[in-house]
This record gives sequence, C-alpha cells and structure tokens, in this order.
Amino acid sequence: QVQLKESGPGLVQPSETLSLTCTVSGFSLTSYSVSWVRQPSGKGPEWMGRMWYDGDTAYNSALKSRLSISRDTSKNQVFLKMNSLQTDDTGTYYCTRDPGGVLDYWGQGVMVTVSS
Amino acid sequence: DVVLTQTPPTLSATIGQSVSISCRSSQSLLDSDGDTYLNWLLQRPGQSPQLLIYSVSNLESGVPNRFSGSGSETDFTLKISGVEAEDLGVYYCMQATHAPNTFGAGTKLELK
Repeated sequence: QVQLKESGPGLVQPSETLSLTCTVSGFSLTSYSVSWVRQPSGKGPEWMGRMWYDGDTAYNSALKSRLSISRDTSKNQVFLKMNSLQTDDTGTYYCTRDPGGVLDYWGQGVMVTVSS
Repeated sequence: DVVLTQTPPTLSATIGQSVSISCRSSQSLLDSDGDTYLNWLLQRPGQSPQLLIYSVSNLESGVPNRFSGSGSETDFTLKISGVEAEDLGVYYCMQATHAPNTFGAGTKLELK
C-alpha cells in the first residue's frame, strides 16, 4: 500500500538549515510527484514545493530563496532543505503524494521546532 | 496568490444533522484544461489531513457518500448529509489551479 514517512531533526537552531527526508513505498517517484506541506500549530497548511515525477521542481515563491527539494529514486526518497530558519518556521512538516495537485496520501508528519 | 475564504470558521452540529461549508476563491479556479482543481480535506485531531473530495465533486476512494462537493468558478460547497462522530475535525479547501497551491483557513466541525 501507499506510504510516506518523514524523518529529520525535531529541533533546529535559528539561522540554521533544516534537512528532512521523505521515504515512500507503494508507488514510484518516477510516476508520481511528491509535495511538501507545512502547518504551524493551530493554523492551516501551507504548500511549500513539489518534486515532479520527471525530476523537475516547483516552489512556493514565498519560500523559493530558502528552499531546495531533491530526490534519490533508487532509495525512494525525496529531500527537503530549507536554510535561514526562524521561529515562525516552527510547525509540522508533511510530505504528500501529489498526482496533479490532489494530495491523496500524506505522511504522519514531523514536528520541527526552531529554537535556541 | 489565490485566497480561499472558508465560512463558517466553526460549525456546531448534532449527530445526524446535515451541514454545509463554503469556500470562496479570490480568482476563478477553472483551469485552461477545463478542469477545476478544488479539493476538500479533513484533519481529525492529532492526525494528518486526508483527502475527501477532488476536482470539486469527485469522492476519494473509501470516503463515505454522505460527503458531497459542488460549485464552480469561485464558489464551492462541501455538504455532509448526516454528521457522524468520526466527521469531527477541521475541514480545509485547497486549490491547485494556480501556483502556488493554497489552502483555506479551515472550518472546525464540533459537536453541539
């Protein structure tokens, strides 16, 4: 069955870089796109960016200068890197399967706190 | 960016009651390919969001048919015909017609 699982550090220092990994199973990264979505506590989700099935990427313009998404198809993994973290980057980060903007399967999410 | 405005922000219902949630977009969500990429998701407490309806009115596999979606262009509605206890949580509309994808602020469905 389709599964996605996020992993990464729960605590990041201000101004440092966040690195997250999304490990997928049950589908191929060369057939489906994967998006990253984050959600501050008690607030609505925010779409961050997408790794297209063909290897191309798309980013939310609000985050584009700080964000990078890449993948390793041999390991079924998609990576997120975001630099210059601040306290308002605190929240839960999800990876989702994204067949044409539908976001049909979601990972369990990883809580990231930006604090010194 | 496209702004999605959901109303009401909070909805109190009894079990069995039918309820509706509105989602209004700042721009038409009709894509040049003829499709309208407006989806509805439910986030139960402590859980990840889950897809309920895609492209306005298509029920995701496994979602009960008491959920239905309608609308066009800028005005959309999610209806629950007979609320059940498992339906409680926060409902979000989300658009994928215009970049970047955006979400509404959510409607919290709680028991009266």
